[in-house]
Amino acid sequence: EPEVTQTPSHQVTQMGQEVILRCVPISNHLYFYWYRQILGQKVEFLVSFYNNEISEKSEIFDDQFSVERPDGSNFTLKIRSTKLEDSAMYFCASTVQRGTEAFFGQGTRLTVV
Amino acid sequence: AQSVTQLDSHVSVSEGTPVLLRCNYSSSYSPSLFWYVQHPNKGLQLLLKYTSAATLVKGINGFEAEFKKSETSFHLTKPSAHMSDAAEYFCVAPDSGTYKYIFGTGTRLKVLA
Repeated sequence: EPEVTQTPSHQVTQMGQEVILRCVPISNHLYFYWYRQILGQKVEFLVSFYNNEISEKSEIFDDQFSVERPDGSNFTLKIRSTKLEDSAMYFCASTVQRGTEAFFGQGTRLTVV
Repeated sequence: AQSVTQLDSHVSVSEGTPVLLRCNYSSSYSPSLFWYVQHPNKGLQLLLKYTSAATLVKGINGFEAEFKKSETSFHLTKPSAHMSDAAEYFCVAPDSGTYKYIFGTGTRLKVLA
């Protein structure tokens, strides 16, 4: 069964460092998403991506965040200068169409120290 | 905009007894709705989906949900809880007119031996 894969599963980084979280969406999917879940809190939308551009972003997704689909298979989330409050589980998701079921990866647990 | 409300943050049941996890949505039309499960330190797995084909939806692991438009509800049920059902459950809907999915706040299910 096709699945969304995310790497790494865990990442520890120092405050102020840049991190790149990687995702490989399902191959025939066209819409891609990043969500995050701070420990004990709700799942929050960060950004959606379609047709090689951001289709929507939340207030959380400020200038320190960026997304890219560099090679037609990977979908990355870059955090330029990490803060302690960026510590969370980050989930990538993809859908074949807008509004259909989203397939989520296993997540990357980011810890900023 | 769509909103999703999960009425219980925590539910405890004994093994072998029925499970009921409640979800209400707000929308001016019949939306798509999904239930996802998140086991500890794991990703989000699709349990079942409603896409207007049938109001009673069967999912994996014996779960089912009934879409009731008159009550704007999409409650998740299972006749007999198993220890392995202990997890967090999210009711999710695509937001109308946007590219994001709206998550409920989650219900943590505890199954007692």
